[in-house]
Amino acid sequence: LAKTTQPISMDSYEGQEVNITCSHNNIATNDYITWYQQFPSQGPRFIIQGYKTKVTNEVASLFIPADRKSSTLSLPRVSLSDTAVYYCLVVGVRYSTLTFGKGTMLLVSP
Amino acid sequence: DAEITQSPRHKITETGRQVTLACHQTWNHNNMFWYRQDLGHGLRLIHYSYGVQDTNKGEVSDGYSVSRSNTEDLPLTLESAASSQTSVYFCASSEFAGGVAAGSYEQYFGPGTRLTVT
Repeated sequence: LAKTTQPISMDSYEGQEVNITCSHNNIATNDYITWYQQFPSQGPRFIIQGYKTKVTNEVASLFIPADRKSSTLSLPRVSLSDTAVYYCLVVGVRYSTLTFGKGTMLLVSP
Repeated sequence: DAEITQSPRHKITETGRQVTLACHQTWNHNNMFWYRQDLGHGLRLIHYSYGVQDTNKGEVSDGYSVSRSNTEDLPLTLESAASSQTSVYFCASSEFAGGVAAGSYEQYFGPGTRLTVT
């Protein structure tokens, strides 16, 4: 069963690139890695999904090394509105695995 | 627009009472999930369903039950509420469940229900 570990918190300034790493040492062959963003008093919102190498969408990039035991969410040029909690979630086929990390609180300052 | 709703948004109940939290989605998704969120624990899966008449236990299912009689709804029942079940509960749904073809595991979350058991 994949267990995920993330830093509890990170600080950044507006305009900087932020990289949040999640460790998932026991990830299974068919598991995918997904990341979510959560604002206070709201449900989590999907950001990005990946299996290996690099995935990029309009808001973030996801880097996954060849051994897949970790993944790094990269947020380019953060703004104050990116202050939120970020969760990694390892997902197995037919949700045989559904393991959320405990989340990383990102605080972006002016 | 399609959405996922939860009701009530806030609930206070007493120990020992039965409580049911509603979740309704109009995405027509087959997969639905219930999570609880507690400080220091993040999100933990309670139950999930692949479709009508299907339910499965998650990591923290003791004291909770679900039933799936239609595609749109997955109510969560606390049979006998305990103080340890004070939490924020999130419902989610998704379309894709995996397989040979690639797809998105994106889950759409509801706004949450804050439950307090006194």
